[in-house]
Amino acid sequence: AQKVTQAQTEISVVEKEDVTLDCVYETRDTTYYLFWYKQPPSGELVFLIRRNSFDEQNEISGRYSWNFQKSTSSFNFTITASQVVDSAVYFCALSEAGFAGNQFYFGTGTSLTVIP
Amino acid sequence: GAVVSQHPSWVICKSGTSVKIECRSLDFQATTMFWYRQFPKQSLMLMATSNEGSKATYEQGVEKDKFLINHASLTLSTLTVTSAHPEDSSFYICSARDNDRGLNSPLHFGNGTRLTVT
Repeated sequence: AQKVTQAQTEISVVEKEDVTLDCVYETRDTTYYLFWYKQPPSGELVFLIRRNSFDEQNEISGRYSWNFQKSTSSFNFTITASQVVDSAVYFCALSEAGFAGNQFYFGTGTSLTVIP
Repeated sequence: GAVVSQHPSWVICKSGTSVKIECRSLDFQATTMFWYRQFPKQSLMLMATSNEGSKATYEQGVEKDKFLINHASLTLSTLTVTSAHPEDSSFYICSARDNDRGLNSPLHFGNGTRLTVT
């Protein structure tokens, strides 16, 4: 079963619109960590945020905000007033603390295109 | 911030030759590094976990004799694609975790290597 599901394969928005990227995860661990990464066209993965399972407080960083809800196993990412530079593929990832190898489980990614 | 350097960024080689890709953590030590492969418009697929001073752990379906991994120091892991074939053409990306920041700290990724086998 897929541990991290990003149902939105591709999203296009017009510049300055808000956009939310969905992420749903599955785990039996009580301690786990969730991440978001950005992969621009150049290919490198850029770390955006880490959230542990005990901290459900939403976080805002500039135009970025994250909504973590354990009740629905979701960790959604919202970009406010999108810009062309936000165009990239965004990956949600899960790390289970109880797993010896501490492997990251990546979602399939959401490709965001911001149209000027 | 933590930096992972991956070299080369791109490489074109002929079928049958071997290619070595280096992954270095520049400002931290990493006992564990991960090698991923990414096909166009797809997610990252973990190939293997590289452990300093010991053998790498390969994921199911990944040929260890074809993808040789060496993690000789706390700052360097190498992936060698042996006897490369066109189907090995892909984007390979490494990542590392800072030893000093715990097992669930973020992975830091290299810029990736685009391999094209002709």
